[in-house]
Formats: sequence, structure tokens, C-alpha cells
Amino acid sequence: EADIYQTPRYLVIGTGKKITLECSQTMGHDKMYWYQQDPGMELHLIHYSYGVNSTEKGDLSSESTVSRIRTEHFPLTLESARPSHTSQYLCASRPETGEFTDTQYFGPGTRLTVL
Amino acid sequence: AQKITQTQPGMFVQEKEAVTLDCTYDTSDPSYGLFWYKQPSSGEMIFLIYQGSYDQQNATEGRYSLNFQKARKSANLVISASQLGDSAMYFCAMRERGYQKVTFGIGTKLQVIP
Repeated sequence: EADIYQTPRYLVIGTGKKITLECSQTMGHDKMYWYQQDPGMELHLIHYSYGVNSTEKGDLSSESTVSRIRTEHFPLTLESARPSHTSQYLCASRPETGEFTDTQYFGPGTRLTVL
Repeated sequence: AQKITQTQPGMFVQEKEAVTLDCTYDTSDPSYGLFWYKQPSSGEMIFLIYQGSYDQQNATEGRYSLNFQKARKSANLVISASQLGDSAMYFCAMRERGYQKVTFGIGTKLQVIP
């Protein structure tokens, strides 16, 4: 059972506000990921991290930023939210054992609505 | 080019029947892993099953099995004895050796009918 947490689960916010989506895992995983998913659509990788002080942009361009100051914490920030940011944001982590069996474990997601 | 293709946007299955969800993939790397995830309406992604490219046998996990046909680059998920709780989106995914990112398909929505 994976222990990865996301808060808030649901967020409705006005245009122009700064928001931070929290993601924490207690498994000591080095690798963490943020995905964006519109309803009924596939997941798009927007950020990932190999470890502390390591962050990379994913395949889908995003106006969000991330930080990785602690292994267990990988927050995502939007400086100025817009309606186009309305989506579900999923955080994931995985161990690094060098095997393909390294499964990504997902948090419950944050559903963001920007009015 | 799409690396993961799921051609069934939606599927229906009668409760207690078996169902196969299709997935084909594209890679030139001989070393890769294939995953299936379930996403209920609540939104979380639940890992179901994994198949490695060098695994000789098809993976099984309870009612889930993966029909791996390497030459055809096919990794279909088979759910036996469907239950109402199996109604969800199902995503096929792949990670290639040395490639940290996982590529997901667009998903198949499965609805189990009583």
C-alpha cells in the first residue's frame, strides 16, 4: 500500500490567485512526478524530480513550477491561476531499484477549478 | 508517433463475464515495462498489473491477467468475472529502459452492467 498524499482534494479559486498543490510521500522514494489530466483524457507529465534539488519539465508545457527541498515533499505552484488551468493534478512517486517493476504510486489527485 | 494505443474508448461487459481491454505499444528498445492502471470516478490511479519485456510468462494478479504478445507489441488486460466495482477508466502505460518517464494511453472506459 502506497503512502502518497495530496492536498487539497478539491479547490475552486478565482482567476489571478496564487495556489500551491501539496504532495507528500512517506516511502522515501527519490523519484516524484506531477501529471495533469483533463476529464476522461490521458495523463500528461508536466514535472518530475529525481531527488532533492532536482526538477525537470515534462512533456506537456505548463505554467506551473515545482520545488524539491525535501525527499518527501514535491509541491506544485501556480503564480496566477487562469481558467485554462482547470484540470485534475495527480502526483506520483516510485522507488529506484533499477528494475522495470518499479511501479509508480499515485496520490488521490487534486481537482482544480479556476473561475 | 503514439507510443501507447488504446483503441476502445468505451466498453460494456455483463457482470460475472470476462472482458479484454486492448493495448498496443511502440518501442525500439528491447527492454521495457508495461503497466495497467485503474482510475475510478473518484480520480485516484490504482496500479493493477505489470509485465516486463523479458518475462516469459503472462503476468497475473487475482482476476487480472495480461495477455502479452511481444511480436505483435500487444499487452491486453483481461478481467475475469467482472464486478460492478470494476467500472472505471483503465490506462495502459509503458516505461523504456533508462527512460525515467512513463507514457500513458488515452484510456478505456469500462462499464459493468448488472
